[in-house]
Amino acid sequence: KQEVTQIPAALSVPEGENLVLNCSFTDSAIYNLQWFRQDPGKGLTSLLLIQSSQREQTSGRLNASLDKSSGRSTLYIAASQPGDSATYLCAVRHSDRDDKIIFGKGTRLHILP
Amino acid sequence: NAGVTQTPKFQVLKTGQSMTLQCAQDMNHNSMYWYRQDPGMGLRLIYYSASEGTTDKGEVPNGYNVSRLNKREFSLRLESAAPSQTSVYFCASSREIGDEQYFGPGTRLTVT
Repeated sequence: KQEVTQIPAALSVPEGENLVLNCSFTDSAIYNLQWFRQDPGKGLTSLLLIQSSQREQTSGRLNASLDKSSGRSTLYIAASQPGDSATYLCAVRHSDRDDKIIFGKGTRLHILP
Repeated sequence: NAGVTQTPKFQVLKTGQSMTLQCAQDMNHNSMYWYRQDPGMGLRLIYYSASEGTTDKGEVPNGYNVSRLNKREFSLRLESAAPSQTSVYFCASSREIGDEQYFGPGTRLTVT
């Protein structure tokens, strides 16, 4: 059974620093992996989607990488800003016929002004 | 372009009451999903609809029913609410199965 883990559960970083959020999964037979951010009391906003055939995706200050063989993905945030404070979730979709996406529990990020 | 909309935003039910959560998307997406989010448990898939006219169970379907009313709308029904169904419910949609998912703002449900 696929398990998705995000460590640490919470992270505080001074403004301006670069940071890396981690996501690991136990079954490497994935179809794709998606990173989301969630602001308190709000829905999820899609940040990046990486297909299993890809190694990374970039959007602005965000870069997500995928290493299927080791069961890991990282989300790199450059030059962090207070507005980046949110919970970041990764979600893994299997490559079987069912569209059952498994979410990690998220990393709560706080950027210190 | 509103994206994914959900109603209501908040709801309080007594144990045993029934209600339907509504979801609509205006992105012409084929696939729609219902999730629940609980502290310490993360998001879990309840039901999904790969396309109009089809629905399938997710990870935690017990106690719920769904209806894909048309391409735009996907509703979630609680026939007899239980305190264990207190949660935040999210609807999502994607162009096709496996594509990027877009989420609604959520419905916060409390069952007393």
